[in-house]
Amino acid sequence: DAGVTQSPTHLIKTRGQHVTLRCSPISGHKSVSWYQQVLGQGPQFIFQYYEKEERGRGNFPDRFSARQFPNYSSELNVNALLLGDSALYLCASSLTTSGIQETQYFGPGTRLLVL
Amino acid sequence: RKEVEQDPGPFNVPEGATVAFNCTYSNSASQSFFWYRQDCRKEPKLLMSVYSSGNEDGRFTAQLNRASQYISLLIRDSKLSDSATYLCVVNGRGGSYIPTFGRGTSLIVHP
Repeated sequence: DAGVTQSPTHLIKTRGQHVTLRCSPISGHKSVSWYQQVLGQGPQFIFQYYEKEERGRGNFPDRFSARQFPNYSSELNVNALLLGDSALYLCASSLTTSGIQETQYFGPGTRLLVL
Repeated sequence: RKEVEQDPGPFNVPEGATVAFNCTYSNSASQSFFWYRQDCRKEPKLLMSVYSSGNEDGRFTAQLNRASQYISLLIRDSKLSDSATYLCVVNGRGGSYIPTFGRGTSLIVHP
């Protein structure tokens, strides 16, 4: 079975632009979470979606938004890009969103560089 | 105080050594804990869950100390292939489910 897939793998944008990142979860998984990982730090939680509804939100500005589709795939949108948005964006899928002993499986990530 | 803290290292150990990492957390309501491994420029991969009774998987042992609010990871008989960054994850409760990662501990195993 395919794991979590993300596209694109790499992206270069300029300040002020908008970006859309995509994620397809493992087949059968209904929950998708998004993380931002800057160099030297652990992943920072951005959003979690389950059954197309937002179930959790981290401490990120409103420039960041996401949605989940009926097939459980997801998009992360970032508007008005800043240099500080340069990071590895990781998507993780899990079966549900119970929060207890919920194992997440990560995709390979999208490397975003903002110039 | 950060929610989840780890010593970034690097821990530089010879093959065959035993090495231990700790991860402290501030939210006493946290209910689930994990260790992930991340290789350079790769995604994190689950290493093991951490249960209250502790758990062991081959050369790896994870333990939870709720009283002192830390989890630990012990690696015995280190291999060159164990070189990676080890991330602890704490899932909070008490209102919202937000998994919090530590910054990771870098391990370098040398010949």
